[in-house]
Amino acid sequence: NAGVTQTPKFQVLKTGQSMTLQCAQDMNHNSMYWYRQDPGMGLRLIYYSASEGTTDKGEVPNGYNVSRLNKREFSLRLESAAPSQTSVYFCASMARVKDEAFFGQGTRLTVV
Amino acid sequence: AQTVTQSQPEMSVQEAETVTLSCTYDTSENNYYLFWYKQPPSRQMILVIRQEAYKQQNATENRFSVNFQKAAKSFSLKISDSQLGDTAMYFCAFINMNYGGSQGNLIFGKGTKLSVKP
Repeated sequence: NAGVTQTPKFQVLKTGQSMTLQCAQDMNHNSMYWYRQDPGMGLRLIYYSASEGTTDKGEVPNGYNVSRLNKREFSLRLESAAPSQTSVYFCASMARVKDEAFFGQGTRLTVV
Repeated sequence: AQTVTQSQPEMSVQEAETVTLSCTYDTSENNYYLFWYKQPPSRQMILVIRQEAYKQQNATENRFSVNFQKAAKSFSLKISDSQLGDTAMYFCAFINMNYGGSQGNLIFGKGTKLSVKP
């Protein structure tokens, strides 16, 4: 059982480049999330999707876009990467709002 | 908007002793869940314990227990008989259960780095 799978695990981008972080879960969960983790800042919510076809902004959405392609997949896109977006990105999913959230292994992104 | 505050950036404890991590939150909602997650150096996020706001009884999971004070909006985590494997970042988290704009918005505090010393 794979759980939540994020790709890639590591990425280096140049300022201004674009990329998409992929996330897929095989647990038939309704809710999916994207977070960024920076030292001393905890996990900050970028976007979340309560169900297929819906997305909502979190605390730090600027510079990012998301797509809930289907129930399994929730992608995060950086259209024009900036050094301030250097971070570790986590995808998570949850069956119901009271349940445990399952996290991917994280993507370490460096923007130079 | 909901906020979660962890006021202790770092803590340390001797092996086999007890430690309490603090968490306060702010919300106008009355139906929510609170969680403690652990993140060891492997970066994997692991659920430690959770508490439903409507339950007055404090949750316990083996060596882990919480002190949930709803009126004070406080949700502390107590780790008894600390073990070296408890060394990790600990995050307090909140999720709103009420239907509406923020339902399902899972938010985290900044974390407490716990070191268990032999």
